[in-house]
Amino acid sequence: DAGITQSPRHKVTETGTPVTLRCHQTENHRYMYWYRQDPGHGLRLIHYSYGVKDTDKGEVSDGYSVSRSKTEDFLLTLESATSSQTSVYFCAISESGLYTDTQYFGPGTRLTVL
Amino acid sequence: EDQVTQSPEALRLQEGESSSLNCSYTVSGLRGLFWYRQDPGKGPEFLFTLYSAGEEKEKERLKATLTKKESFLHITAPKPEDSATYLCAVQPPPSNDYKLSFGAGTTVTVRA
Repeated sequence: DAGITQSPRHKVTETGTPVTLRCHQTENHRYMYWYRQDPGHGLRLIHYSYGVKDTDKGEVSDGYSVSRSKTEDFLLTLESATSSQTSVYFCAISESGLYTDTQYFGPGTRLTVL
Repeated sequence: EDQVTQSPEALRLQEGESSSLNCSYTVSGLRGLFWYRQDPGKGPEFLFTLYSAGEEKEKERLKATLTKKESFLHITAPKPEDSATYLCAVQPPPSNDYKLSFGAGTTVTVRA
C-alpha cells in the first residue's frame, strides 16, 4: 500500500457523533486525498491537500472537514455523522509538480453510521 | 462535468477465455488515464497510466490501450487470480491540482 496506513480500519458510530479518520504516509509525498467509495458511484473525492495546511474541496465535501499539520498526516473529520456518510473511505497520496501524477491508495476505513 | 463510464459492470470468464473491458470518457485534452485493480476489502492498486492516443502498456496478462475517446483493458488467458474489480480514472486538462474522476468499475470473475 505504498507506505500508507489508515486508522481506524473499521468504525461503527451513532448519528450526530463526531468522527475523525487518520491517514499516515511514510513516502513524504506532497499531495494527499480523501475519497469515499459507494456501490454504483465509484470513488469520489472529498477533500485534498497540496501541502501542510493547504487543503481544498472535492466534489462531495459537504459535512466533512480536513486538516494537515504535518506532511505525513491527513485527518478527515465528520463533525456530526449522518447515515448517508456510511461508506468506505480511502486515503491516497501522490508526488508533486509533474505533468501527470499517479495516486497510490491506502487500505481503507469502513465507517458505519447507525 | 467529466464523465467516465466503464462497461460491462460485471464480467464472468472461464479460465483462459480472453476478453476486454471498456472505459469511455468525455473529458477533452486528457492529461492521463489510469487503470487500477481492487480486490475485495482492499484499496485500489495501481496498474497503468496512459498519456496519449495510440499508447499501450502491458503487465503480465493485462494490456491497456488508449484512443481519443476510450481505453480498453485486455485480459489475455485469464487465471482465477485475475478476479477483481478494475477501475478506470481520468485526469482532466492542466490545472493546479491532480484530481481524478473515476468510473464505477468492472468486476471480473474468472472461473477455474
